[in-house]
Amino acid sequence: GAVVSQHPSRVICKSGTSVKIECRSLDFQATTMFWYRQFPKQSLMLMATSNEGSKATYEQGVEKDKFLINHASLTLSTLTVTSAHPEDSSFYICSARGGRTGGDYGYTFGSGTRLTVV
Amino acid sequence: QKEVEQNSGPLSVPEGAIASLNCTYSDRGSQSFFWYRQYSGKSPELIMFIYSNGDKEDGRFTAQLNKASQYVSLLIRDSQPSDSATYLCAAYSSGNTPLVFGKGTRLSVIA
Repeated sequence: GAVVSQHPSRVICKSGTSVKIECRSLDFQATTMFWYRQFPKQSLMLMATSNEGSKATYEQGVEKDKFLINHASLTLSTLTVTSAHPEDSSFYICSARGGRTGGDYGYTFGSGTRLTVV
Repeated sequence: QKEVEQNSGPLSVPEGAIASLNCTYSDRGSQSFFWYRQYSGKSPELIMFIYSNGDKEDGRFTAQLNKASQYVSLLIRDSQPSDSATYLCAAYSSGNTPLVFGKGTRLSVIA
């Protein structure tokens, strides 16, 4: 089946530093990647949508200069949290459209990244 | 505004019983619907999807769709403690649009 590999699974960083999260589609071409954030006991919140080779579309209220998304190839998308602060601590999950999971409408999730900013 | 509504729960059922999870959606243009299971601290995993009116069965799981009522449900037969998780309902409309997720229903299966 379709697999999206997400790394790192956990990261702790100091306030003010930047963190890069990678998502790779292992056996299919991910034409579109969605990035979500999830706070404890809350639902998934869509942050942005990126299509390979074009600029990401950010949801209202998400700072594009703080959450940099790069989708330079059909198998790799990255999210960089710049100048991270404690309030950015969250669970970040990518989801790729493509592949065979769920049939023609496949949306495959990465395993998530737990970011803690201290 | 496209919305997917779910009862947040928690829904508690005894082991071996049928758990019934419900979901309504606002966008009549939604084409297909997904049920995901999410364990605490983990990423959502797909249980099944449905796009035609009626029932779709997969093992212990049955998804039901009623487009006229804009209603989707998931039945879990012979519930097990390992089924205890949050269940997310999601709707898909068209193209490369993101899934619209509900807030999830927390299910607790009591041994």
